[in-house]
Amino acid sequence: AQSVTQLDSHVSVSEGTPVLLRCNYSSSYSPSLFWYVQHPNKGLQLLLKYTSAATLVKGINGFEAEFKKSETSFHLTKPSAHMSDAAEYFCVVISHYSGTYKYIFGTGTRLKVLA
Amino acid sequence: SQTIHQWPATLVQPVGSPLSLECTVEGTSNPNLYWYRQAAGRGLQLLFYSVGIGQISSEVPQNLSASRPQDRQFILSSKKLLLSDSGFYLCAWSRHRVDETQYFGPGTRLLVL
Repeated sequence: AQSVTQLDSHVSVSEGTPVLLRCNYSSSYSPSLFWYVQHPNKGLQLLLKYTSAATLVKGINGFEAEFKKSETSFHLTKPSAHMSDAAEYFCVVISHYSGTYKYIFGTGTRLKVLA
Repeated sequence: SQTIHQWPATLVQPVGSPLSLECTVEGTSNPNLYWYRQAAGRGLQLLFYSVGIGQISSEVPQNLSASRPQDRQFILSSKKLLLSDSGFYLCAWSRHRVDETQYFGPGTRLLVL
């Protein structure tokens, strides 16, 4: 079965410093992985996705993630945090089950950006 | 381009009252549609998904139901709300393809008192 584990429920960084949000996955085959961001009381917005092409995936707003099969990781990074990055971030893997494809969400990481 | 709408944005309902939340998608045809619930401090739980008109799959047994009366309309309903139904309800759509991205609506905040 597929699963994702977000290793930190809360992360705090200072504005202008790097961001690292960690995600490990479990999958019996080559996975499709996503990162979404959710600002308070808003829907989820896609940041980036990995679907077995380049292992370094660039997304919106300066975010990127690297797929590392040997470490079963898909960590999200950004070189310099901005106040507007404060939000909750979800790592997602696609689960294949009985001919259907469903999202399996991590529990989320709340990012706080300090001025 | 495709857009997804949800309404109402916010709803306060008494326990035991009925519920109807609506989701519509524009700019695409025959999408897969999904209802999720996000309870306070918890992750997203898939409630229902639909691959076509009248085709509904339920993920979690509960007092909620879903219907898809039109290709791009997805409705979440309840006959009698419980306190535990409070949460943030998100609708999403995707194309009929493997590993396709899901696009989320703005959500409905439901508070049951």
